[in-house]
Amino acid sequence: AQSVTQLDSQVPVFEEAPVELRCNYSSSVSVYLFWYVQYPNQGLQLLLKYLSGSTLVKGINGFEAEFNKSQTSFHLRKPSVHISDTAEYFCAVSRGSARQLTFGSGTQLTVLP
Amino acid sequence: SQTIHQWPATLVQPVGSPLSLECTVEGTSNPNLYWYRQAAGRGLQLLFYSVGIGQISSEVPQNLSASRPQDRQFILSSKKLLLSDSGFYLCAWSVKANYGYTFGSGTRLTVV
Repeated sequence: AQSVTQLDSQVPVFEEAPVELRCNYSSSVSVYLFWYVQYPNQGLQLLLKYLSGSTLVKGINGFEAEFNKSQTSFHLRKPSVHISDTAEYFCAVSRGSARQLTFGSGTQLTVLP
Repeated sequence: SQTIHQWPATLVQPVGSPLSLECTVEGTSNPNLYWYRQAAGRGLQLLFYSVGIGQISSEVPQNLSASRPQDRQFILSSKKLLLSDSGFYLCAWSVKANYGYTFGSGTRLTVV
C-alpha cells in the first residue's frame, strides 16, 4: 500500500518570501510523484511531475520539487512567492504498475501582502 | 488537443432529489475516468473509477452510483440525495497513471 503525507495543512507566508511545502510518501516500490494546484472553486492543475531522471524537477509558475528517495520526500519549493500563488496544493503518488493516484490531504498556501 | 468538460458548475438540490452529473472527454480514446469528491476542509476522496465502457469500480460505499455508457462519457448519479452528499465533485481522466491526471473544472453541489 502507498500513502502520502503532507505535513502542513496551512502555510502562511509573506509576498516575495521563499516557501517549501512538504510531502512524504510511503511505498516499497518505485513511484511516480506529482504536485497539483487548486485555485478556489476550480479543478486541479498539474504543477510538475517526477517520473525518472534528474531528481530536481521544474514546473510551471516558478515552482520546483526535489525527489529524495532516501528520505521518501518530494518537497515543493518556490524562491519568491506572489499573491497569485495563494491556493491549495496537493501531492500525489502513483506506483508504476497502478492506474490510480493517491493524494495527500492538501496544503493551503496563503501569501500575505 | 485533449479536453475534459464537466457540468453543471454549480447545483443546489433538495434532500431526497435525484442527481446526475456528466463528464465528457475529447481528443483521446479509451481513457481511464475518475470521480472524486472534496468535502469542506477535507482532501480528495476517490468515489469511482472506470477503465472501459461499462466497467465501474467503487471505492466508497454510499448512495451514489456511476455509469460509463460511452467511451468518453462518465456520469455520476444518485436516486435520493443526502445532506452529506454536499461537496465539490471532480471528474478526471488519464491514459497512463504515470503521466498524471487531467481534471475537469468541478461541480459545486449543495444539498439543502
